[in-house]
Amino acid sequence: QVQLVQSGSELKKPGASVKVSCKAFGYMFTHYSVNWVRQAPGQGLEWMGSINTNTGRPTYAPGFAGRFVFSLDTSASSAYVEISSLRAVDTAVYYCARDWDFWGQGTLVTVSS
Amino acid sequence: DIQMTQSPSSLSASVGDRVTITCRASQGIDSDLGWFQQKPGRAPKRLIYGASNLQSGVPSRFSGSGSGTEFTLTISSLQPADFATYYCLQRHSYPLTFGGGTKVEIK
Repeated sequence: QVQLVQSGSELKKPGASVKVSCKAFGYMFTHYSVNWVRQAPGQGLEWMGSINTNTGRPTYAPGFAGRFVFSLDTSASSAYVEISSLRAVDTAVYYCARDWDFWGQGTLVTVSS
Repeated sequence: DIQMTQSPSSLSASVGDRVTITCRASQGIDSDLGWFQQKPGRAPKRLIYGASNLQSGVPSRFSGSGSGTEFTLTISSLQPADFATYYCLQRHSYPLTFGGGTKVEIK
């Protein structure tokens, strides 16, 4: 069955980088785009952007271009978001979603010194 | 950017109540709207797509309506499993935007 499985929680220091993975199972990976969503503690959902898994072309929401980079490994049916120069405000749960119908379980990234 | 204004931000209701949540778009988005349910500590789950289409496996007590700028999610008879936070999402144009959420609590 369709599943998106994300990498585990991360604890990082300010200024470090983190790469969150999202591995797809049960469908043809390149047939559906992958969206990334951020949810800060106690807050709502925020669309970070998406990546076309057929072309590899990313689209970033305002505020997510620059330190956030979406990438793919189609041979591994996986999508990634790498966040550089981490700040405390990046502390959040990060979700991937297949064209909105299936979601990963979320990855908590905590940025703290 | 299209702003999605969701109301109310929270509500208290009893099991069996009819519940209505509204999303208003700052400009027309045709029927490019989805509704999501999120329970604490869990990923969101899509309930409705295309404004009024029920996601497979979602109970029929959930329904969506509207087009253009005004949209409604209705729960016809609230069940214990429905206490959660609900979000709308417009996918009409980039950047995609979520509503602020509606927390449905037990009265």
